[in-house]
Amino acid sequence: NAGVTQTPKFQVLKTGQSMTLQCAQDMNHEYMSWYRQDPGMGLRLIHYSVGAGITDQGEVPNGYNVSRSTTEDFPLRLLSAAPSQTSVYFCASSPTLSGTSVYEQFFGPGTRLTVL
Amino acid sequence: AQSVTQPDIHITVSEGASLELRCNYSYGATPYLFWYVQSPGQGLQLLLKYFSGDTLVQGIKGFEAEFKRSQSSFNLRKPSVHWSDAAEYFCAVGPSGGSYIPTFGRGTSLIVHP
Repeated sequence: NAGVTQTPKFQVLKTGQSMTLQCAQDMNHEYMSWYRQDPGMGLRLIHYSVGAGITDQGEVPNGYNVSRSTTEDFPLRLLSAAPSQTSVYFCASSPTLSGTSVYEQFFGPGTRLTVL
Repeated sequence: AQSVTQPDIHITVSEGASLELRCNYSYGATPYLFWYVQSPGQGLQLLLKYFSGDTLVQGIKGFEAEFKRSQSSFNLRKPSVHWSDAAEYFCAVGPSGGSYIPTFGRGTSLIVHP
């Protein structure tokens, strides 16, 4: 298994540009989520999904859009990039929604995004 | 709402010394508690978890943590630190409303001197 993969690893955008960060997992996990990590802020949840066709907002959803058309993929879209979205973005997945397994998250390697 | 406090931004230890990273939480019920490690340039990896039962939990890489309800703490310990333990460590508490996602602390950066 490749686990959780993210592309690209690095990206530089200009203000106002749009782009999609890709996330895929090959573990048949139901639960997927996107975080952003900023210095001194820990991880903050952007959006999450409990299965194909179902998404919901996290703590900091503004400026981001997600969809989940398949179990494997959970892309994150930046609609109009702003310098405040400069961050490291992590995708994570969990095996099930029942019991405590949902908390055992597997993280991708991250995408480092700079918005000029 | 639940919250997590990691009071130490940086911790410096010598290789071979013991380690304790502090974590305090706020939650209205019995929490689920976690420690994750993030090596430079990598994603987070689960070190250990507490759901219920024995309050001393063992994790990977020789780490352990103890849940102390009276102190609302879940401190991470290791008896002898290796240079490869240098990383960012995150404490997390769950559940988080209906999102199934833990709330993360701001992290503690561990520096290991040879």
